[in-house]
Amino acid sequence: EAQVTQNPRYLITVTGKKLTVTCSQNMNHEYMSWYRQDPGLGLRQIYYSMNVEVTDKGDVPEGYKVSRKEKRNFPLILESPSPNQTSLYFCASRGGGQEKLFFGSGTQLSVL
Amino acid sequence: GQNIDQPTEMTATEGAIVQINCTYQTSGFNGLFWYQQHAGEAPTFLSYNVLDGLEEKGRFSSFLSRSKGYSYLLLKELQMKDSASYLCAVRRGSTLGRLYFGRGTQLTVWP
Repeated sequence: EAQVTQNPRYLITVTGKKLTVTCSQNMNHEYMSWYRQDPGLGLRQIYYSMNVEVTDKGDVPEGYKVSRKEKRNFPLILESPSPNQTSLYFCASRGGGQEKLFFGSGTQLSVL
Repeated sequence: GQNIDQPTEMTATEGAIVQINCTYQTSGFNGLFWYQQHAGEAPTFLSYNVLDGLEEKGRFSSFLSRSKGYSYLLLKELQMKDSASYLCAVRRGSTLGRLYFGRGTQLTVWP
């Protein structure tokens, strides 16, 4: 089944403790992206990647890192999480010639 | 960022028709998308317009006017399960260009 898999689904952590949210897609998509969603603010793009080893900042990249060493994986890294990074995070991917984004099921992150 | 405006909330009754508007201001426009998102779930793709006019898909239709920077999503024969947030998104640049999302319209369908 074609899908984007994010883990974990829920995560509670404390300020300053490094964490990684994983994202994997099995559709051989070139384009992958991370969004955060906050009440009243909608979906905002954090980072995106056009292909392996090609990443670029979105609208709200501060405090986040990404890597794209393999085509299928696009992990989101928070080196030193802070409470303002408490949010719902979505990974998404899209293939060449396709119009729609495929979204993962989301990661609800709480930073205490 | 991009200026994408849509109403925050709308309500309607089962069986009715509702129109959700979206206006945008952007350079390099290359398509407008509508997504549906139920509470706590991922957005799912509804429709895509790149040329002016109406695209119909069952109970859902989407319209685009590029000269006016305007789109709407039309939902017919509303059902309770249509209660969700509807996200308007604009793509800039190439077909691999970034998507910019509006803040979403929360639609509540009453029996």
